[in-house]
Order: sequence, then C-alpha cells, then structure tokens
Amino acid sequence: AQTVTQSQPEMSVQEAETVTLSCTYDTSESDYYLFWYKQPPSRQMILVIRQEAYKQQNATENRFSVNFQKAAKSFSLKISDSQLGDAAMYFCAYRSAVGGGADGLTFGKGTHLIIQP
Amino acid sequence: NAGVTQTPKFRILKIGQSMTLQCAQDMNHNYMYWYRQDPGMGLKLIYYSVGAGITDKGEVPNGYNVSRSTTEDFPLRLELAAPSQTSVYFCASSYGLAGGGPYNEQFFGPGTRLTVL
Repeated sequence: AQTVTQSQPEMSVQEAETVTLSCTYDTSESDYYLFWYKQPPSRQMILVIRQEAYKQQNATENRFSVNFQKAAKSFSLKISDSQLGDAAMYFCAYRSAVGGGADGLTFGKGTHLIIQP
Repeated sequence: NAGVTQTPKFRILKIGQSMTLQCAQDMNHNYMYWYRQDPGMGLKLIYYSVGAGITDKGEVPNGYNVSRSTTEDFPLRLELAAPSQTSVYFCASSYGLAGGGPYNEQFFGPGTRLTVL
C-alpha cells in the first residue's frame, strides 16, 4: 500500500513571501499521479496542481509550482507571492496509474498554512 | 451543472441510530468515491464504485454500506452509528478510464459533518 507523509503540521509565511510545503510518499509503482489539494475553512477540496510521475518537467500553475524528485519520492509545493487567500489546509495526495485511479486517492495528514499580513 | 452534491450538510445522530448520506453527480462520471476526514487528518477512502452495480471496499469500510443503482447516485449508509464515526464525509467522482484524460481528476462535494453522541 502507498503512504503519503507531510511532516509539517503547520507553516507560517509573511504575505508576498515564498513558502514551500513538503511531501514524501512511498510506493513500489513506477507510474502514478501526485496532487496538491487546498482545503479552506469552507471544507471544499480544491485541486491546486498535479504531476504525472513519467513527466520530468515540474508542474506550474500561476504562483504554484512543484519540485518533483522521483528518485527521492518527494513532491514539494512552492507558493510564490503568498496572498491572504492562500491560507488553508494543504493536502498532498497520491493516485495509482492502474485502472484510472478506481481505488481512489491516498492523502497525507495535511499542512495548515498561515499567512501573516 | 451542479457538480457533486451532498445532503445533508450537518447531522447529529445518537449512538445506535442509522442514516443515509446522499451523494449525486450530474457529470456522467463512472467512478464515485466516499471518503471520511477525521480532525487533523487527511481523507481516507471508505468505499468506491466504478459503475452502476459495482462497489468495492476502501481503506476504512467497517460500519458502512453503499449501493450504486444509477450512474448519478452513490448513497452511504451508516448502521448502528458509533462515536468513532464522528467525522466529515466527502463524496467525489471522476470519469474513469474513458473520458477522464490521464489525470482523471476527482471532483469533490462540499462534505457532510456528522456527529455521533
């Protein structure tokens, strides 16, 4: 079974600064997908960014980018120019490439991101 | 297009009572999922379904039952509610192998907060 570990229960950053959230995972599979989800106080799960294991290029979505290190099984999220609206829980998630992900996502415990004005 | 809808939003149950959490999606997705999120934790998969009439257990299925009689609906049944089932429940859906693209993104409902006293 796969596991996802987020070692930072809480992170704090000044508005407009850059912050990096860590995620490591354990798997014996060679093809898989990785995701970062944002969960604001509304509880809604919002997909932030995604990465396929076979793609060497790191994914980027506006102010959000990842550092994907397949050999190290590491998938960190960098948020540039932090904004107050970025304050939320952030979850790293893993999905097998087998069967189109029928057996769901495996989530880490999350990192609570605080933005200091 | 309402996406994934869940009812109710909140519910308090007494120990031993039963209830059904409703989930519906209007995106013609084949795959559907139920997750639970305990305080300070990530989401854990309870059950999933790859199509009408097909369901399977996830990581934490004990105390729950599901059915999938239509593509749109995927209700979760709690029998003999216990305090350990106090959690936030999320329903999600995705296309599956056909039509979802390589990432086959999961779309989440707004969640149901359940308290068992």
